[in-house]
Amino acid sequence: AQTVTQSQPEMSVQEAETVTLSCTYDTSESNYYLFWYKQPPSRQMILVIRQEAYKQQNATENRFSVNFQKAAKSFSLKISDSQLGDTAMYFCAFMKLLTGGSEKLVFGKGTKLTVNP
Amino acid sequence: DTGVSQDPRHKITKRGQNVTFRCDPISEHNRLYWYRQTLGQGPEFLTYFQNEAQLEKSRLLSDRFSAERPKGSFSTLEIQRTEQGDSAMYLCASSLGAQPQHFGDGTRLSIL
Repeated sequence: AQTVTQSQPEMSVQEAETVTLSCTYDTSESNYYLFWYKQPPSRQMILVIRQEAYKQQNATENRFSVNFQKAAKSFSLKISDSQLGDTAMYFCAFMKLLTGGSEKLVFGKGTKLTVNP
Repeated sequence: DTGVSQDPRHKITKRGQNVTFRCDPISEHNRLYWYRQTLGQGPEFLTYFQNEAQLEKSRLLSDRFSAERPKGSFSTLEIQRTEQGDSAMYLCASSLGAQPQHFGDGTRLSIL
């Protein structure tokens, strides 16, 4: 079974600064995806960024980038130029990749990020 | 793309009552997932469908829980004889192929 660990229950950052959220995972699978999802207060879960395990290049999406270390089973999220709207719970998630399509997501417990003005 | 829709947004019921939630996925998505999220935790997988076929059920899903997806469109999740421990946010997500899952707003269940 896969497990996802987020060791930082809460973090805070000043507006315009950079913050890094940590995630480690455990799996014996070789083909999988990793995700970061954002859940603002009382709002729906939104995909932030996705990383395919077979790709060595780290994924980036505008101000969001990841540091994917496959051997170490580490998948951290860096948010640059933090904005007030980035305040949310951030969940790291693992998905086994099968030929039929997407599978269930296995989530970490989340990191509550607060961006301060 | 109207997004994943869940109904109701909030359900309050007495212990022992039955409740049913509905999820309407994004129209072209063939996979539909149910997750449960308790306060301060990440979502936990309950079950998922490919079209109308239920492909996997979590051990979290006791006999009191049942899910259906007739005709491969909307899905319902029913909880019979609700218990205090069923209080949670129930999230629905849908996807097409290997694309990322899109989530609905969730249904918050409160058991009195």
